[in-house]
Amino acid sequence: GAGVSQSPRYKVAKRGQDVALRCDPISGHVSLFWYQQALGQGPEFLTYFQNEAQLDKSGLPSDRFFAERPEGSVSTLKIQRTQQEDSAVYLCASSSLGVGRSNQPQHFGDGTRLSIL
Amino acid sequence: SQQGEEDPQALSIQEGENATMNCSYKTSINNLQWYRQNSGRGLVHLILIRSNEREKHSGRLRVTLDTSKKSSSLLITASRAADTASYFCATVLNFGNEKLTFGTGTRLTIIP
Repeated sequence: GAGVSQSPRYKVAKRGQDVALRCDPISGHVSLFWYQQALGQGPEFLTYFQNEAQLDKSGLPSDRFFAERPEGSVSTLKIQRTQQEDSAVYLCASSSLGVGRSNQPQHFGDGTRLSIL
Repeated sequence: SQQGEEDPQALSIQEGENATMNCSYKTSINNLQWYRQNSGRGLVHLILIRSNEREKHSGRLRVTLDTSKKSSSLLITASRAADTASYFCATVLNFGNEKLTFGTGTRLTIIP
C-alpha cells in the first residue's frame, strides 16, 4: 500500500503493562512524527524523527514514553508501565520534509487506539 | 498544548450550502495547514498556506490567512454529505522543525 500503516489498530492493556506501537511510513519519507489524540481533542505532538535521528522529543509526556526509528524507516513508540491517562489514539505521520525541503504536508495513518484498564 | 482555537466547535448545514470555519492561533508561524478527520480514521491533508500568502484555493476549498490577526478561515463551497467530518487547523512555527500544533477542531455535519 502507498499510505502510512499503523499496527495494531486497537490495543487493550492492563495498567502497569508495557505496550509497543508500530508505524510503517510511506516509502522514502525522511520525516516521521508521532502524535497523541485524546477523545474530542486535536492531536498533540509527541516526537519527530528525520531519518534515524530523533530531532525533537519535547512532547513526550514522561520518561515512560520512548520512541525509536533505528534504520530510518519503521518506527516504534513504546510506553512502559502504562497508566489510565495514557488511553488515547496514537497517530503516526510521515512526510517528505527534510534538509532543504519545507512546507510539505504530513500523511497520517489511521492510528492505534490504546485503552488502559 | 493546543496552539489555538477553532470556531465554531460544531456546525450543521444543509447539503449544497457553504461552510465556513475559523481558526485563531497565538504565535507567529511558518505555515498553516488544514486537515480533515473522519470518525475513527487518521487525518487527511487538505491545503497548506504559507505565512506570506493571503489566500489559496483547491477545488471547492478556499483558505485565507491574516497574519496580523493571527487567524485563518476555511470555506467549503457547495457542501456534500461526504464532507461530514472534523476539520482541524494546524500551524508550523519554525522552519526546520515542522511539527504540527493543532487547534481544537470543528465538527461539521452536512444534512442531506
